[in-house]
Amino acid sequence: KAGVTQTPRYLIKTRGQQVTLSCSPISGHRSVSWYQQTPGQGLQFLFEYFSETQRNKGNFPGRFSGRQFSNSRSEMNVSTLELGDSALYLCASSLVGTGSSGANVLTFGAGSRLTVL
Amino acid sequence: DAKTTQPPSMDCAEGRAANLPCNHSTISGNEYVYWYRQIHSQGPQYIIHGLKNNETNEMASLIITEDRKSSTLILPHATLRDTAVYYCIVRSPGNTPLVFGKGTRLSVIA
Repeated sequence: KAGVTQTPRYLIKTRGQQVTLSCSPISGHRSVSWYQQTPGQGLQFLFEYFSETQRNKGNFPGRFSGRQFSNSRSEMNVSTLELGDSALYLCASSLVGTGSSGANVLTFGAGSRLTVL
Repeated sequence: DAKTTQPPSMDCAEGRAANLPCNHSTISGNEYVYWYRQIHSQGPQYIIHGLKNNETNEMASLIITEDRKSSTLILPHATLRDTAVYYCIVRSPGNTPLVFGKGTRLSVIA
């Protein structure tokens, strides 16, 4: 079965621009989480969506936003890009999400590598 | 903040078992232990998880101490393709995301 698909895989933007990244979860998975990975800060949680609702949000400024569609596909948007936004952005999907009373196994995509010049 | 402590790096000879330790001394009764790994520039890959009992799957074994304050991930026959950063994560069920620490960089040497 197909894994988590992220597009685009690589992109270059300039400061002040905005960017939209897309994530298609595994079929049947209703939860999508987004993470940012940089060499200095490691993997940091951005937000999680479940059934089109944001369930959790990490400690990122309001320039970072996301949404989820009825087919569980998700997008994240970063506005007014800064040099420090250069990172690998990872999407992960799971069946039940963080609301589960049991284990919640995430499957990650390959990521979108954003370079801000 | 991550609730686990892992050594920053380890080496393992190819073909030998790799034993990766993780300390989670503040773990509470309903918190799961998860292991993921990340091969350079790829997305993290789920390996295994457990609550109280030892677990084994096709990739690895997870040994959790009786007091649950530490665990060990065992790759029984390490290959060069197992070279990666391994993350041990403790997470409560409920409305909390996976929080990644710095992990252990495992280098498998021929």
